[in-house]
Amino acid sequence: AQRVTQPEKLLSVFKGAPVELKCNYSYSGSPELFWYVQYSRQRLQLLLRHISRESIKGFTADLNKGETSFHLKKPFAQEEDSAMYYCALHTGGFKTIFGAGTRLFVKA
Amino acid sequence: NAGVTQTPKFQVLKTGQSMTLQCAQDMNHEYMSWYRQDPGMGLRLIHYSVGAGITDQGEVPNGYNVSRSTTEDFPLRLLSAAPSQTSVYFCASSPAGAVYEQYFGPGTRLTVT
Repeated sequence: AQRVTQPEKLLSVFKGAPVELKCNYSYSGSPELFWYVQYSRQRLQLLLRHISRESIKGFTADLNKGETSFHLKKPFAQEEDSAMYYCALHTGGFKTIFGAGTRLFVKA
Repeated sequence: NAGVTQTPKFQVLKTGQSMTLQCAQDMNHEYMSWYRQDPGMGLRLIHYSVGAGITDQGEVPNGYNVSRSTTEDFPLRLLSAAPSQTSVYFCASSPAGAVYEQYFGPGTRLTVT
């Protein structure tokens, strides 16, 4: 079955601490994985995709096919990182499967 | 550019009523889609369109109809609202060749009593 699992509903860290948002997927094909973010009172927006291997707002995510994971990481969290984060798996065609989301709260 | 717009922002319906959620985009995107978001669950695809005149079902299409008469507009119709359709609805569009790069609307919060 095709599935995206984000095991943490809520993640709370202090400002300046490292943060890791977990994402695991189940897919038999070659996955395309993404992270979307929704800041308070803003729209859901694409944060990054695994193919680009880029760092956006200090966040990176590495696809680990052996562990079927695509965790989102940032070495030093900032208060403005507080948001809802969704991991998504694009399985081809027009099908994208979203995880349930993790709310990140960065405390001052 | 306004991007993707949705109306209304909030709506309360009684069971059995019908209504249309509006979605429009001004980015000339070929692909448009409707998702619903329920507590504790990710976004689930209801219907999508790969161009004017072409629509197809997503993961949870029952109880919803769509049409795509123009590139810009992609309305979602609830034929006979049920409490199970209480949700937040998001419309999204994406450009040809980058279907995964979705631009989302602000959402419509629908309550069916």
